Amino acid sequence: DAGVTQSPTHLIKTRGQQVTLRCSPKSGHDTVSWYQQALGQGPQFIFQYYEEEERQRGNFPDRFSGHQFPNYSSELNVNALLLGDSALYLCASSLARGGYTFGSGTRLTVV
Amino acid sequence: GQQLNQSPQSMFIQEGEDVSMNCTSSSIFNTWLWYKQDPGEGPVLLIALYKAGELTSNGRLTAQFGITRKDSFLNISASIPSDVGIYFCAGQLGGGSEKLVFGKGTKLTVNP
Repeated sequence: DAGVTQSPTHLIKTRGQQVTLRCSPKSGHDTVSWYQQALGQGPQFIFQYYEEEERQRGNFPDRFSGHQFPNYSSELNVNALLLGDSALYLCASSLARGGYTFGSGTRLTVV
Repeated sequence: GQQLNQSPQSMFIQEGEDVSMNCTSSSIFNTWLWYKQDPGEGPVLLIALYKAGELTSNGRLTAQFGITRKDSFLNISASIPSDVGIYFCAGQLGGGSEKLVFGKGTKLTVNP
């Protein structure tokens, strides 16, 4: 049973560019949340998707947007990248309001 | 916004020793969770606590949900080298708020 799968594992982008990160939830899970983890910090909640809609959002600017597809997979898009967007981006899936399973993350470096 | 104060920031212990770490908050949480994160990996759930006063064990790990619902602790008994990693507490407000609020983590080093 595959857990949460994220792609790519690493990528490097230039300031001002746009990036799309992808997440496939654990089998049977229908809810996907995204977190940003800066070096040496705990994860920070970006937003959560359920039934293809954004259900809750954290304190992140509109440059951060997302999407959930009918198969429950999800994308995180970040526009106009800043150096400060460099972080590990974690996807977590759950069943409705159940416990969360995290993926291994995508390490984004903005140069 | 909600913040979790996790302490200590780091611990250096000898194999076989017991470890204790805790989290406090100015906000009330309905759920407390403890995660472990290894380098290059996502957090892995160790223990989930759902009721004030609840004491739950998972092998050598024991965690408690404070009766005020504003704090929690995690104990690790008889530490072993594979306990090395970063431990995070996380709180969930509930009541329609699904996000997890994380502490900054406790980095544990175990010397053989």
